[in-house]
Amino acid sequence: GAVVSQHPSRVICKSGTSVKIECRSLDFQATTMFWYRQFPKQSLMLMATSNEGSKATYEQGVEKDKFLINHASLTLSTLTVTSAHPEDSSFYICSARPGRERQETQYFGPGTRLLVL
Amino acid sequence: KQEVTQIPAALSVPEGENLVLNCSFTDSAIYNLQWFRQDPGKGLTSLLLIQSSQREQTSGRLNASLDKSSGRSTLYIAASQPGDSATYLCAVTLAGANSKLTFGKGITLSVRP
Repeated sequence: GAVVSQHPSRVICKSGTSVKIECRSLDFQATTMFWYRQFPKQSLMLMATSNEGSKATYEQGVEKDKFLINHASLTLSTLTVTSAHPEDSSFYICSARPGRERQETQYFGPGTRLLVL
Repeated sequence: KQEVTQIPAALSVPEGENLVLNCSFTDSAIYNLQWFRQDPGKGLTSLLLIQSSQREQTSGRLNASLDKSSGRSTLYIAASQPGDSATYLCAVTLAGANSKLTFGKGITLSVRP
């Protein structure tokens, strides 16, 4: 149980275009979802936390107008990278947590590799 | 600001060896600590989670310990196998209102047949 999927797994786009990444919890309802970014040989950095039905909370230094997060249902969150630039190329990973309690485990998706040309 | 450090960045051992991976964190006010495995280009798989009130957790050949006061955790892998080759990440959840996970950079383990 507790499977999280991401789509697409890999995307290549031209600079200036927008890219949408989906994160789905397949067998549980995720009250809270998290979006992380990982550069090569670096640790995962939390970008934002989203709770179903409310606005996402962004970490310091993350542009909310550039990285649009929508958590419209208990099984789906989307991250849209708007006007992507080469420096946005990274590995984006989402995680989902069944409830709002901190002791509950986050379940991670397989990640999406974004390459902006 | 919480910082999580994992040293060394890479480790290579022969098959069958018992090994210890280290993790240290600067702020001992944590809620829990987790060890994850990440295969190249893949997401994270949770291996072990230790609550702040616990000292260790075991799963199969893996044993994780936590010394919160000194800001250290270790992941012990017994009888390593080539299939254990992966990057192992340590992450702590801060105590307090939010549940942000702070990750280390990971240790890339290679187990040679």
